Amino acid sequence: DTGVSQDPRHKITKRGQNVTFRCDPISEHNRLYWYRQTLGQGPEFLTYFQNEAQLEKSRLLSDRFSAERPKGSFSTLEIQRTEQGDSAMYLCASSLARGNEKLFFGSGTQLSVL
Amino acid sequence: DAKTTQPPSMDCAEGRAANLPCNHSTISGNEYVYWYRQIHSQGPQYIIHGLKNNETNEMASLIITEDRKSSTLILPHATLRDTAVYYCIGYRGGNEKLTFGTGTRLTIIP
Repeated sequence: DTGVSQDPRHKITKRGQNVTFRCDPISEHNRLYWYRQTLGQGPEFLTYFQNEAQLEKSRLLSDRFSAERPKGSFSTLEIQRTEQGDSAMYLCASSLARGNEKLFFGSGTQLSVL
Repeated sequence: DAKTTQPPSMDCAEGRAANLPCNHSTISGNEYVYWYRQIHSQGPQYIIHGLKNNETNEMASLIITEDRKSSTLILPHATLRDTAVYYCIGYRGGNEKLTFGTGTRLTIIP
């Protein structure tokens, strides 16, 4: 069990640029989640996949956000035309879909939009 | 998911038991009580969960009241590394998403 891996750990970008984050889940986990966390708040759900299918998207996920999990393994989260309000920690988690499963989180990608 | 209420912050002396309360008076019969914690600059970490009975593992104990309206997470011998934000969450699993509140910021004092 190598854990959930996220890359990069930190990203600084200028407003209007596009950014992409990668998440590698625990290998046998078929569910993958993306969350966003701002300072002083708990993580907020963005979207999740079961295998390669994206099953739910939060209203927080505007049209500028897109997530993919093309082969049911790693996932990418892209933000187009970044805004200062997108500055946050982006967390990825994975789990086995078999009922009251535990989520395993990565260490996150800290995005700063200048 | 059930709405949970936690104190915003707590202190505990190193080596003592840390008892973190959580109220979940609207929890439904099939919702588990989950506890996660988040150490600074890391992702949340699963601690323990339970439905009706008290539970214990290598990290903590979970005491759930008989009416299931509240619970207490117990860290038996707190260390400085236990300083973190602790989240109490009602969660059915399945297709439901794990929904975090603002948690309790626990500070272990040397």
